[in-house]
Amino acid sequence: GAVVSQHPSWVICKSGTSVKIECRSLDFQATTMFWYRQFPKQSLMLMATSNEGSKATYEQGVEKDKFLINHASLTLSTLTVTSAHPEDSSFYICSAKGAVAGRFLAFFGQGTRLTVV
Amino acid sequence: SQQGEEDPQALSIQEGENATMNCSYKTSINNLQWYRQNSGRGLVHLILIRSNEREKHSGRLRVTLDTSKKSSSLLITASRAADTASYFCATDSSTGTASKLTFGTGTRLQVTL
Repeated sequence: GAVVSQHPSWVICKSGTSVKIECRSLDFQATTMFWYRQFPKQSLMLMATSNEGSKATYEQGVEKDKFLINHASLTLSTLTVTSAHPEDSSFYICSAKGAVAGRFLAFFGQGTRLTVV
Repeated sequence: SQQGEEDPQALSIQEGENATMNCSYKTSINNLQWYRQNSGRGLVHLILIRSNEREKHSGRLRVTLDTSKKSSSLLITASRAADTASYFCATDSSTGTASKLTFGTGTRLQVTL
C-alpha cells in the first residue's frame, strides 16, 4: 500500500519557539495534503487543506499565521507551528491524497506528538 | 465541525465476541470510510463504502450503510485482543481533488482475553 512518512514522530520544544513537521508521500504523488490535530481521546479535527503550489485553505478557527503550511511539491508538505505555546501541545497527523492503483484515496502519516514546555 | 457521531464511545468485550460500532452523519456523502487508530499512532484505513452500496465485507469486518438514516455500522466478528484500538468513521462529502474527510467522534474498543 501507499506510504506516507511523517517526521518527527515526537518533539518537545520550549515555549516561544517554532517547530516544523514534515509529511512526505513516498510512492505516489499527493495532489492534496491535509493536516489534522487530535487531542487525547478525541477525534481528528481538520486544520487545513493544501494543494501543491497553492495556498492552504484553513478551517474556521485555525490561525493561518500560527500554523504555516507549505506544499512545495507533490510529495512534501510541511506544517510549522510558530511561537508555540503549551496549548499547542497535541498530536498532529497529516494525510496525503493521490491516485494509487487506479483509486483516489487518502493515506495517513504516523502522526507527530508535540509537547510545548 | 464534527460531522459524525459514533456510539458507543467506549466498548469492552471479551475475545471471540463480536463488536458493533455505529456512526451517524448529517449531510449527504460520496462515501463513508472506517479507520482504526492504535494509541498514539496514525490511522489505518479499514474499509470504504460508497453511497450507492448498502453492505460491504472485508475479512472479519462488515460495514453497512443506510443513507436514508444517515448512518453506518462497523461489525468486527470473532474479536481478538489485537483489535483493541479506537475506530473512527469518516465521511467524504466533496467531489474530485477538493474532497476532504470529516471524522466522527470515535469508539474506543477494548478486547480482553
